[in-house]
Amino acid sequence: GAGVSQSPSNKVTEKGKDVELRCDPISGHTALYWYRQSLGQGLEFLIYFQGNSAPDKSGLPSDRFSAERTGGSVSTLTIQRTQQEDSAVYLCASSLAGLDIQYFGAGTRLSVL
Amino acid sequence: QKEVEQNSGPLSVPEGAIASLNCTYSDRGSQSFFWYRQYSGKSPELIMSIYSNGDKEDGRFTAQLNKASQYVSLLIRDSQPSDSATYLCAGASGGSYIPTFGRGTSLIVHP
Repeated sequence: GAGVSQSPSNKVTEKGKDVELRCDPISGHTALYWYRQSLGQGLEFLIYFQGNSAPDKSGLPSDRFSAERTGGSVSTLTIQRTQQEDSAVYLCASSLAGLDIQYFGAGTRLSVL
Repeated sequence: QKEVEQNSGPLSVPEGAIASLNCTYSDRGSQSFFWYRQYSGKSPELIMSIYSNGDKEDGRFTAQLNKASQYVSLLIRDSQPSDSATYLCAGASGGSYIPTFGRGTSLIVHP
């Protein structure tokens, strides 16, 4: 079956603009994660969705960041009023259930000019 | 704060040698551990998962877990240049579904 799909693969935006990043997880995977990876850095956890439960937003760096997951499937990460420090690769991963093996998408490379 | 520590490297080994990658973790409640490989410019992909003390072998890869000493290691036998990548260690506790990732160790296998 298809893997985790993310779009767009690259996004260049101007400082202050809003951006939306999309993640389509593997069918049947109930858990979905968003991470951020800056150049040469490790994975920074952002948000976790599990089924219809309330998401764990503990990793979101500021209130400019938000995410939703519609129908327990596709997720959108929104960054409002983007700043240059938001430039990074945003990775989405899904797993069959929490604490299970995570499968990563190819990521969205965000560049804020 | 839960931490997973890895030496950033680079670890350089000759082709055919054994590469040993190590990881320590601070959370004694961690129960699940994962090794991911990440090629430059690509997303992480799972290499091994390990949940019990001891060794787990899969082809050229062996994961080792020692909960008493709070370390996890990955051994790569007969290293190949195609193994050159960054290896990420991750741990997750039973009370959390959010794994903690280390910063990764860069491995270079030279011909």
